[in-house]
Amino acid sequence: RKEVEQDPGPFNVPEGATVAFNCTYSNSASQSFFWYRQDCRKEPKLLMSVYSSGNEDGRFTAQLNRASQYISLLIRDSKLSDSATYLCVVFNQAGTALIFGKGTTLSVSS
Amino acid sequence: NAGVTQTPKFQVLKTGQSMTLQCAQDMNHEYMSWYRQDPGMGLRLIHYSVGAGITDQGEVPNGYNVSRSTTEDFPLRLLSAAPSQTSVYFCASNRQGRNTGELFFGEGSRLTVL
Repeated sequence: RKEVEQDPGPFNVPEGATVAFNCTYSNSASQSFFWYRQDCRKEPKLLMSVYSSGNEDGRFTAQLNRASQYISLLIRDSKLSDSATYLCVVFNQAGTALIFGKGTTLSVSS
Repeated sequence: NAGVTQTPKFQVLKTGQSMTLQCAQDMNHEYMSWYRQDPGMGLRLIHYSVGAGITDQGEVPNGYNVSRSTTEDFPLRLLSAAPSQTSVYFCASNRQGRNTGELFFGEGSRLTVL
């Protein structure tokens, strides 16, 4: 099993839609989780960290389910500018490097 | 503020040639890493370093060498390039610590091996 697995996508949604991405991780000892965003042909950038209690940043909500070892990202009221690839990221077992999922592509249309 | 600087941005090699991708950061970050990104594959970790003189293998280390003689620099060497190494390469750095998940990336190096 790969360390991080994501919904394959792509997700094609209209503006204003709510969309959710899921990600599963294999290392039950993982402590830290993140969502990154990557625009076409650009470097990835941190979108938000995922805390045990869940966290929200404007239209974005990240949640962690330790029992099932999955992380989710919810985007409400989608904007055209949300079109990007969203990458789920966890630390490796040693806690020394970040492992990325394959990413889920979101396309928001008007 | 330079952040993470990668060179070259573009490179075309012939099979069997060697080259070094350079990476430098000016943020005094302990951790540095190299990733490659192929279509549909996300970012895959090649090698990483937790400090000067310390390196370790990631998910796809074969065909690549690294060294970390200073905190600032983390070059990636391809000793004998193969077409399978055609990819976009990203160097990244971050501060030490399990909760410091913000990686600072270079702009990427696009390598084509013919």
